[in-house]
Amino acid sequence: KQEVTQIPAALSVPEGENLVLNCSFTDSAIYNLQWFRQDPGKGLTSLLLIQSSQREQTSGRLNASLDKSSGRSTLYIAASQPGDSATYLCAVNSNSGYALNFGKGTSLLVTP
Amino acid sequence: GAVVSQHPSRVICKSGTSVKIECRSLDFQATTMFWYRQFPKQSLMLMATSNEGSKATYEQGVEKDKFLINHASLTLSTLTVTSAHPEDSSFYICSARDRGLYEQYFGPGTRLTVT
Repeated sequence: KQEVTQIPAALSVPEGENLVLNCSFTDSAIYNLQWFRQDPGKGLTSLLLIQSSQREQTSGRLNASLDKSSGRSTLYIAASQPGDSATYLCAVNSNSGYALNFGKGTSLLVTP
Repeated sequence: GAVVSQHPSRVICKSGTSVKIECRSLDFQATTMFWYRQFPKQSLMLMATSNEGSKATYEQGVEKDKFLINHASLTLSTLTVTSAHPEDSSFYICSARDRGLYEQYFGPGTRLTVT
């Protein structure tokens, strides 16, 4: 069974800092990996999707990398802003099906 | 981009009653929809996979007679929580997979509170 772990569970940084969120998964046989943002009490916003054949994806200040063989992905946020404060979820789509396996998330607080 | 809606966004019901939650794909056809549940400060846990025109597949530990899923068309799936109890209070989120693609699009979620 695929297990997805996210470290750290919570992170507080001052505005302007660059930061890295980590995600690891136990079964490297994945189809793709997605990073989501979730604001309190809200649904999910898809940030980046990386196919298993890709190494990274970029969108604005966000960059996600994928090392499938080692079961790791990182989400890099450049020049963080208070508006980036949210919970970031990593989810893996395994080859055995289409449902996503989610990590518990990293709660990010960016202080002004 | 693809849009998935959920209705209602928030519902409060009394213990013992049933609640129906709708999940719709607005601009694409979804052969498969997924229902997830999220407890406070926890991650999303898959409850069931819903395929259009066939019975849903439930995850281990999810009671199929309590959480009734119907996927009657390519744009609509419903989740009915029967005889709801306070422990069913949670955030329910659906997602839909665009036919032929592997990316899932998520609805905004439904907050269920059972009193």
